[in-house]
Amino acid sequence: GAGVSQSPSNKVTEKGKDVELRCDPISGHTALYWYRQSLGQGLEFLIYFQGNSAPDKSGLPSDRFSAERTGGSVSTLTIQRTQQEDSAVYLCASVPGVWGTGPEAFFGQGTRLTVV
Amino acid sequence: LAKTTQPISMDSYEGQEVNITCSHNNIATNDYITWYQQFPSQGPRFIIQGYKTKVTNEVASLFIPADRKSSTLSLPRVSLSDTAVYYCLVPNNDYKLSFGAGTTVTVRA
Repeated sequence: GAGVSQSPSNKVTEKGKDVELRCDPISGHTALYWYRQSLGQGLEFLIYFQGNSAPDKSGLPSDRFSAERTGGSVSTLTIQRTQQEDSAVYLCASVPGVWGTGPEAFFGQGTRLTVV
Repeated sequence: LAKTTQPISMDSYEGQEVNITCSHNNIATNDYITWYQQFPSQGPRFIIQGYKTKVTNEVASLFIPADRKSSTLSLPRVSLSDTAVYYCLVPNNDYKLSFGAGTTVTVRA
């Protein structure tokens, strides 16, 4: 596709279960971001991948959160032992280079996670 | 220090021009200024980006004074569908795309 694709679009899970969220960035984009947005709130940075460099994980809220990016393309965000406070929309963005120096960021539609 | 400061909300009517000013006093020499728009239940969407003076596209104009410590997003003749949150972003040597609270623009009939 032409844009950033995220799946699933909606996910309802029971407290304590693990979930995996997927992001397919735009082909050729070297940078990939994950964000979390709670209802009525701004975007909270989670993790950043740039090419083959080590990811910046400084935004991950706890060790229950992890992410990987395979082959410099698809990324998976995993949340273990989900808690109700994990309920939010998880957004992925890709950038064809280093953001802030010219290239723009393209966002997916997000995955709405509800922990019951 | 906050990277950017913008009004929390603005109200307007259909057909009017909306101007949102963002302050970024600590902007770095190589930084571009980028604006995004977000509708409810959607990811942010790029609107416009600029480095200096004026940039115009089919959606908006961006005015940047010579000192680059602020910028103004101008939305001409807004419609109800322009109701959204608008974010001003400046990297300031940080690649994390830090989104603040943004400006909630409400367009009324």
